[in-house]
Amino acid sequence: DIVMTQSPDSLAVFLGERATVNCKSSQSLYRSSNNKNYLAWYQQRPGQPPKLLMYWASTREPGVPDRFSGSGSGTDFTLTISSLQAEDVAVYYCQQLYSTPPAFGQGTKVEIK
Amino acid sequence: QVRLQVSGPGLVKPSGTLSLTCAVFGDSISNGNWWNWVRQPPGEGLEWIGEIFHSGTTYYSPSLKSRVTISVDMSKNQFSLKLTSVTAADTAVYYCARGRLVERSSLLFDHWGQGALVTVSS
Repeated sequence: DIVMTQSPDSLAVFLGERATVNCKSSQSLYRSSNNKNYLAWYQQRPGQPPKLLMYWASTREPGVPDRFSGSGSGTDFTLTISSLQAEDVAVYYCQQLYSTPPAFGQGTKVEIK
Repeated sequence: QVRLQVSGPGLVKPSGTLSLTCAVFGDSISNGNWWNWVRQPPGEGLEWIGEIFHSGTTYYSPSLKSRVTISVDMSKNQFSLKLTSVTAADTAVYYCARGRLVERSSLLFDHWGQGALVTVSS
């Protein structure tokens, strides 16, 4: 089974500053047949279910603000919030959709400094 | 607007069976997507339990496979979860989620129910 590991476990950033969350998979999530990385990002605000932010590592779900961006390929991925807003306080999870069973990272808690 | 709604008992006795149902609104279960259960113990991360297609085809997490059954009722546009022989370790918020069918994967969870806390306790 693929194992997903995120870093850091938590981070605190000033409003308007950049927040970066890292995600590493135990094996490559890239399929050369369609040139896609099978990696998604979710945001979970307190008391809420997870919300899909991004898939294919860098494709935003409709309605997701463009301050959220994703990058990376193979086994190393990054979620960046370019200018942190108060409503971005949440736990962020990466997830591999390359193979069953799907696996989530342990989560990264983003707070305001 | 797709909406998923979980229902079922919030308290289950140890060694008993956890049973939950997820009603789907705004989409048809037979539309070609997959339907999933994911759980989250209090203060912890997300764990995938399993998925079902409208044909009845299922895939389960290897760690839970011996205790899990997911079924679908197309007449009611809902799907269900049964987890047997529960212990305190099964205490969690249980979410249902739609798995959008994308290129070679059904594991992109684009719509989630609000979740239901199930506590295992005597």
